[in-house]
Order: sequence, then C-alpha cells, then structure tokens
Amino acid sequence: DAKTTQPTSMDCAEGRAANLPCNHSTISGNEYVYWYRQIHSQGPQYIIHGLKNNETNEMASLIITEDRKSSTLILPHATLRDTAVYYCIVRVASGSEKLVFGKGMKLTVNP
Amino acid sequence: GAGVSQSPSNKVTEKGKDVELRCDPISGHTALYWYRQSLGQGLEFLIYFQGNSAPDKSGLPSDRFSAERTGGSVSTLTIQRTQQEDSAVYLCASSPAAVYSNQPQHFGDGTRLSIL
Repeated sequence: DAKTTQPTSMDCAEGRAANLPCNHSTISGNEYVYWYRQIHSQGPQYIIHGLKNNETNEMASLIITEDRKSSTLILPHATLRDTAVYYCIVRVASGSEKLVFGKGMKLTVNP
Repeated sequence: GAGVSQSPSNKVTEKGKDVELRCDPISGHTALYWYRQSLGQGLEFLIYFQGNSAPDKSGLPSDRFSAERTGGSVSTLTIQRTQQEDSAVYLCASSPAAVYSNQPQHFGDGTRLSIL
C-alpha cells in the first residue's frame, strides 16, 4: 500500500545531474516525503526528507511542488557510486512510525 | 559515529530450527524497527519498538516470530521452527526520536537468513 509512484528505472551519465521524479498525489497535509536508496547488499541509506519546503543537504536536493503532489530528488553530480534503487516514501509522523516501501526506481549511472 | 549494527551478517540453518537475530541501534536512539526483504520483494515492516515497548507488531507474519528489546537498546528477533519461506534479509533501523516525530530511520546492513 505504498502511496507513491516512481518510474521503474532511469539512466544518467556520470557527472551530470540526476533528477528522480516521484508522484504522491494522495499525500496528506501532515505527511512527509522521504527518500532512501539501497545499494546492492546494503541496508537502505537515508538521503533527505521534507514537508513542503525545498530541502538541500550534502547528498541531494529535494524539490516539492507547491501542491505537494509530486517531488524530485536531485543528485547534482552523479557518480558511479550513486547507482542504486531509490525509494520515495510518504510517511506521517504518527504513532506507528513505520516506513512503507514500494518497488523503488533503479538508477544506473553510466561512465 | 557508529551506525546500526546487526549480527550475524549471515545465518544458514536447517528447517525447523530456531534462530535469533541481534540488532544494536545507534546510541541514544529510542525507536527501533525490524523489517525484512525477501528475494524479489520489497521491504516489509515487521515490528516497532519505542523504548522497550512494542506499540506496533502488526507486521509479524506469524506467531513463530517474536522480538524483544531490553534496556532501551539491543533488540533480538527470534524465529521459531524456521520454514523455507522465512529466508530473507532481516533489517533493523533506529531513530533518535520519540513518537510523533519526523526524524529519519537509519538502517543496518541486515542479517541474510537462509533456511535449508
């Protein structure tokens, strides 16, 4: 019962910006957008999260549309090590706290 | 600082045996979660601890699965009478926050469980 839709896969050239889209048209006002990624044989790695304002950290930027129905994760200068499955998750800060993962999107960064 | 630590990293056991999987959360993190990832499947939630209490056990697939947490730190996931369908990567995550927070969860690298 993931509440997000992502493309199945995407390719990006090394050194270029990778723009990863996510649709969450049924998002509620108190739900945050989280991004994680999973590199083969490792646990999911937290990237960034936001509510309605754009966010930036050392890994990426998160752009959330004004109506909050979609967002884009931006990796400004993709490297081969950014090849992974990326998960966009919406989560309400509630008592259950669990993350509901969908199938994610496989990003392949090519040399 | 140290991240979430899980042990063992790999476990192979025979069908019908009991197994215990251990998770050491990040120091000071009050919330702890167990998930599992089966081959070709997504990550599915199993159980959530806040301190030593488990307010959400809704993801445990059967009564063969149980978990406990002691001292608000280490957690153990126990699977009794293992079945082949229990083969999966079991992931633990922790979060610094109390309830009703947007603090992110940080994951360990999991225990890969194989049931022969």
